[in-house]
Amino acid sequence: QSVLTQPPSVSAAPGQRVTISCSGSISNIGSNSVSWYQQFPGTAPKLLIYDNDKRPSGIPDQFSGSKSDTSATLGITGLQTGDEADYYCGTWDNSLSSAVFGGGTKVTVL
Amino acid sequence: EVQLVESGGGLVQPGGSLRLSCAVSGFTFSSYWMSWVRQAPGKGLEWVANIDQAEDVGEKNYVDSVRGRFTISRDNAKNSLYLQMNSLRAEDTAIYYCARGGVQLWHWGQGALVTVSS
Repeated sequence: QSVLTQPPSVSAAPGQRVTISCSGSISNIGSNSVSWYQQFPGTAPKLLIYDNDKRPSGIPDQFSGSKSDTSATLGITGLQTGDEADYYCGTWDNSLSSAVFGGGTKVTVL
Repeated sequence: EVQLVESGGGLVQPGGSLRLSCAVSGFTFSSYWMSWVRQAPGKGLEWVANIDQAEDVGEKNYVDSVRGRFTISRDNAKNSLYLQMNSLRAEDTAIYYCARGGVQLWHWGQGALVTVSS
């Protein structure tokens, strides 16, 4: 059971938009910045979003992040088959004094 | 180019020990927090530990499930991060990644597989 709650899977047709939610509490998302990671099978995760809504250099604006209260959202527009991957949210939890991840969301392009 | 390369993984019996290393290049290692993250087969990511820039007196944090059994450390002169794992359990079986950052993880290694089994 992850501290941060994500839907196990989301799907949409090519070219469409999907959103992935990440729900937490006041001790984690409510108090700290959220980051998002993309992971393809058999490879290491890659940072997509940091500080809730910022993209590292080289990450296309197809990906966006937002945060409100104790929840965060990753948006992916113009969905392509190459976006099929697992996506994780992460942040610090002040009560646990540890970093925490969501359980991950598998994105499928129909 | 930023590179992180883990080594030291392998098969170990329950109750045994293993030391993972992570050699880094392409950035000023001594300026950054570093972390270990693991992923059990077919499961999601689990943050394991982080360490601040200082070597001996720096801040270290651990997930509850490894506190007291695992020790994170670093050698800034050797640009290396370590994870000493003692009293290993079957549930510690996972790919272990080292990553640059304490919470927001900017760069990741390719991972080292640790299998705890008799």
